[in-house]
Amino acid sequence: KNEVEQSPQNLTAQEGEFITINCSYSVGISALHWLQQHPGGGIVSLFMLSSGKKKHGRLIATINIQEKHSSLHITASHPRDSAVYICAVTSPYNTDKLIFGTGTRLQVFP
Amino acid sequence: DAGVIQSPRHEVTEMGQEVTLRCKPISGHNSLFWYRQTMMRGLELLIYFNNNVPIDDSGMPEDRFSAKMPNASFSTLKIQPSEPRDSAVYFCASSSQRLATNEKLFFGSGTQLSVL
Repeated sequence: KNEVEQSPQNLTAQEGEFITINCSYSVGISALHWLQQHPGGGIVSLFMLSSGKKKHGRLIATINIQEKHSSLHITASHPRDSAVYICAVTSPYNTDKLIFGTGTRLQVFP
Repeated sequence: DAGVIQSPRHEVTEMGQEVTLRCKPISGHNSLFWYRQTMMRGLELLIYFNNNVPIDDSGMPEDRFSAKMPNASFSTLKIQPSEPRDSAVYFCASSSQRLATNEKLFFGSGTQLSVL
């Protein structure tokens, strides 16, 4: 079993829909990262969370440390949101090491 | 700032050849990470440096892989000799502090390596 599990693996949506991507992890962590990988391959760090909720534009990330679960929400989705979203957690043994999920591929159609 | 700069963007080489990947972190960032991404294994940390010193290289797959950071503005990842199973995208990333201190990572564009 992977230490970081994401669901769903693939997601399609119509423009304007509200989207939720989930991340569950099995190890103790100090922080969780959400990354976005564009079709061209570039990776952008969206959020770093250790508790609660963070919002940036149409993106909202939440984390529940007790339940070992995080969600990434996209409100009013747009085709430019089409990308792979990757969850990563800090290793319990070394907080500079990230353990990555396998990613959720999102396609938003106009 | 130009961001994290990696070169080359694409590298095609033959098995047995030496490959050198290069990375220039964001100025002022003192943590640098090398990651590898494959379809089978996703993203994996190979090695990281803090203040130019290698901190953890446990992710380096074999002795064929080596990394250096001779100064704060340059790092290399070398594969010698290269093998087809090394084919992957190699990303360099930097951050202004250790990841534990609430810092985001900034990624380079990656080097797509194909070993024939």
